[in-house]
Amino acid sequence: AQSVAQPEDQVNVAEGNPLTVKCTYSVSGNPYLFWYVQYPNRGLQFLLKYITGDNLVKGSYGFEAEFNKSQTSFHLKKPSALVSDSALYFCAVRDKRNNDMRFGAGTRLTVKP
Amino acid sequence: DAGVIQSPRHEVTEMGQEVTLRCKPISGHNSLFWYRQTMMRGLELLIYFNNNVPIDDSGMPEDRFSAKMPNASFSTLKIQPSEPRDSAVYFCASSPGSGSTDTQYFGPGTRLTVL
Repeated sequence: AQSVAQPEDQVNVAEGNPLTVKCTYSVSGNPYLFWYVQYPNRGLQFLLKYITGDNLVKGSYGFEAEFNKSQTSFHLKKPSALVSDSALYFCAVRDKRNNDMRFGAGTRLTVKP
Repeated sequence: DAGVIQSPRHEVTEMGQEVTLRCKPISGHNSLFWYRQTMMRGLELLIYFNNNVPIDDSGMPEDRFSAKMPNASFSTLKIQPSEPRDSAVYFCASSPGSGSTDTQYFGPGTRLTVL
């Protein structure tokens, strides 16, 4: 079965600095990878996904993620962090063969002014 | 588009009571998912439907949990009887199709507290 790991519970960055939220995955076939963001007392909001094609995927709010097959990673990045980016970020993986999406434990991003 | 609608947003009940959570998916979406989120276990898929038919309920924790989708615009998740360990945030999500590339869109969640 597919699984995803987010090795960092918490990431702290200063406003204006680049940010990276890490994600690694395990799946037997071709992975479909997703990033979601959750603000306090809200549902998850879709940011971006990788299905096929260009390894660099651009998404909402200036976020992007790079699919690296050899390292089985799909790290989320943003060149310049905003305080409003502070939230809980979830990576998810889905196997091509089924509809079961597995979420990581989440990484809490805090951007300080 | 109103997005996925869930009700109630908050529910506080006593152990042993029946709890019913409701979800209205995005119009035109064919798949609907129920998730549970807790600090200990993170986000867990409970069950999902495709074209109103339950496809995989292997995530439903026990027989106290049941879910129905009587039509394309409405689904319920019922817990009977409820227990304190059921306290969690329950999310409903919908997606346009049943394909594994489809994006899931989440509702705001129902925060359930069982005393």
